Amino acid sequence: EPEVTQTPSHQVTQMGQEVILRCVPISNHLYFYWYRQILGQKVEFLVSFYNNEISEKSEIFDDQFSVERPDGSNFTLKIRSTKLEDSAMYFCASSEGFTTAKNIQYFGAGTRLSVL
Amino acid sequence: AQKVTQAQTEISVVEKEDVTLDCVYETRDTTYYLFWYKQPPSGELVFLIRRNSFDEQNEISGRYSWNFQKSTSSFNFTITASQVVDSAVYFCALRPISGGGADGLTFGKGTHLIIQP
Repeated sequence: EPEVTQTPSHQVTQMGQEVILRCVPISNHLYFYWYRQILGQKVEFLVSFYNNEISEKSEIFDDQFSVERPDGSNFTLKIRSTKLEDSAMYFCASSEGFTTAKNIQYFGAGTRLSVL
Repeated sequence: AQKVTQAQTEISVVEKEDVTLDCVYETRDTTYYLFWYKQPPSGELVFLIRRNSFDEQNEISGRYSWNFQKSTSSFNFTITASQVVDSAVYFCALRPISGGGADGLTFGKGTHLIIQP
């Protein structure tokens, strides 16, 4: 069964460093998303991406964040200068399309980011 | 603004008991989707079900059933004859239909379900 793949599963970084979280969405999907979940809290939407550009973003997604689809398979989230409060689980998701039959978002297993 | 409330932070039941997880939502959109996702201890988010706001027909799928009531803005989820493997955090989520595929999901805080053997 196709699945969303995220690497690494755990990333440890020093405050102020740049990190790139990687995702391989399901191959025929067109919409891609990033969410984050601070430990013990709810899952929060960060950004959606379609047709090689950002479609929607939340107020959390500030200038420190960027997303990119560098090739036909990968979808990345970059945090330029990490802060302690960026420590969270980051989930990538993808959906096939926007119609009712195709708009279910399927999630990866997440990358746990620990900022020290 | 949208909001999803899952008032039950944690529920603990003994195996084989039935359990209902509550979800109440707020939205100004007239058409929207409601979802339930499961997060087992391994951490991934697993899609369980989606309902459209214009389809209030309730559904049963094996041991799972869902009760959608638009009049009370509730979308509750029931597990019948619970099993230890059902132990997980369950999230209710909401998304408007009008935005096409770009809108993110608005999640509740989740209910941690513990099934004791």
